[in-house]
Amino acid sequence: QSVLTQPPSVSAAPGQKVTISCSGSSSNIGHNFVSWYQQLPGTAPKLLIYDNDKRPSGIPDRFSGSKSGTSATLGITGLQTGDEADYYCGTWDSSLSAWVFGGGTKLTVL
Amino acid sequence: EVQLLESGGGLVQPGGSLRLSCAASGFVFSSYAMSWVRQAPGKGLEWVSSISESGGSTNYADSVKGRFIISRDSSKNTLYLQMYSLRAEDRAIYYCAKLGTTVVTPMTNWGQGTLITVSS
Repeated sequence: QSVLTQPPSVSAAPGQKVTISCSGSSSNIGHNFVSWYQQLPGTAPKLLIYDNDKRPSGIPDRFSGSKSGTSATLGITGLQTGDEADYYCGTWDSSLSAWVFGGGTKLTVL
Repeated sequence: EVQLLESGGGLVQPGGSLRLSCAASGFVFSSYAMSWVRQAPGKGLEWVSSISESGGSTNYADSVKGRFIISRDSSKNTLYLQMYSLRAEDRAIYYCAKLGTTVVTPMTNWGQGTLITVSS
């Protein structure tokens, strides 16, 4: 059971938009920045979004992040088949003094 | 370019020990916190441990507390994870990750991972 809750899977057609939710609590998302990680099949995770809504250099603006209260959302527009991956949210939990991740969401581009 | 190269993985018997290493390059190693994150086969990411840039502060997941020790050697630009009393449930790919300047900052770069199998 993950501390952060994500939907197990989402799907959409190429060119469409999808959102992935991440729900936590006041000790984690409520008080700390959220980051998102993309894990393509057979590869290591890669930072996609940090500090709730910032993109590292090289990440296209099709990817966006937002946070409200104890929840965060990853948005992906103009879906491409190459976006098929597992997506994880993560943040620091101040009560646990530990990093926590969501269980991951598998994105399928139909 | 930031590079993180893990090594030390392999097959170990239950109750055994293993030490993982992560050779870092392309950044000032002593200025950044570091973490280990693992992923069991077919499962999600699980944070294991983090260490501050100075090495003076460490944090552990409850699942490994008392069994694993994280450390770093800035003279060698290397991060370590010493694992004792290994269990079947420790079987996973172990990733080394570079954080920002503190342990609460995101994991900006990841290594390719090293696989640990715990089996008799």
